[in-house]
Amino acid sequence: GDSVTQMEGPVTLSEEAFLTINCTYTATGYPSLFWYVQYPGEGLQLLLKATKADDKGSNKGFEATYRKETTSFHLEKGSVQVSDSAVYFCALSVRTGANSKLTFGKGITLSVRP
Amino acid sequence: DTAVSQTPKYLVTQMGNDKSIKCEQNLGHDTMYWYKQDSKKFLKIMFSYNNKELIINETVPNRFSPKSPDKAHLNLHINSLELGDSAVYFCASNTGANTEAFFGQGTRLTVV
Repeated sequence: GDSVTQMEGPVTLSEEAFLTINCTYTATGYPSLFWYVQYPGEGLQLLLKATKADDKGSNKGFEATYRKETTSFHLEKGSVQVSDSAVYFCALSVRTGANSKLTFGKGITLSVRP
Repeated sequence: DTAVSQTPKYLVTQMGNDKSIKCEQNLGHDTMYWYKQDSKKFLKIMFSYNNKELIINETVPNRFSPKSPDKAHLNLHINSLELGDSAVYFCASNTGANTEAFFGQGTRLTVV
């Protein structure tokens, strides 16, 4: 079945540090890939997405590139801020007929200290 | 305007009770979902509806029964609540396969 594996957390960084969160996947079809972010007490928000190999998704300084050869979609940011403290989820979606479902990784908690 | 709204936001109830969570989306999406997030933040799909028709029904106890009166609403009814049902339940919607899903704020259910 489809699955997403994220690196173990939590992660604590100082402000302006470089961030990498690893994500790899297995899928039966050709998935679309997503990063969602969950701020404390809130629902999930889409951070970025990529729908085909070599696509790069980007938003709010975050980037991730769809690597089919390594089945990866690692999230990066050059300089994190305290406001980036949240839980980050990697997810994939594979079409089955007219429908699909999101399969999530376990999520990783990021804390950024001033 | 809230895109996907759930009510209530918090629900505390005793074991054995029956409760419902309501979800509405004003995005015109055809597909709606229920997800369960456990205490370790792990998200697992429960149900998916497309135009009021049940599409996905993961391994969920029969005590959980979704109902979609129209494509803008997807409610979740839970019978005979158990301690293990305590979690945050998220409603979501999207336009179809492989598109971005929009999530509600979540309903934190606590069974005591």
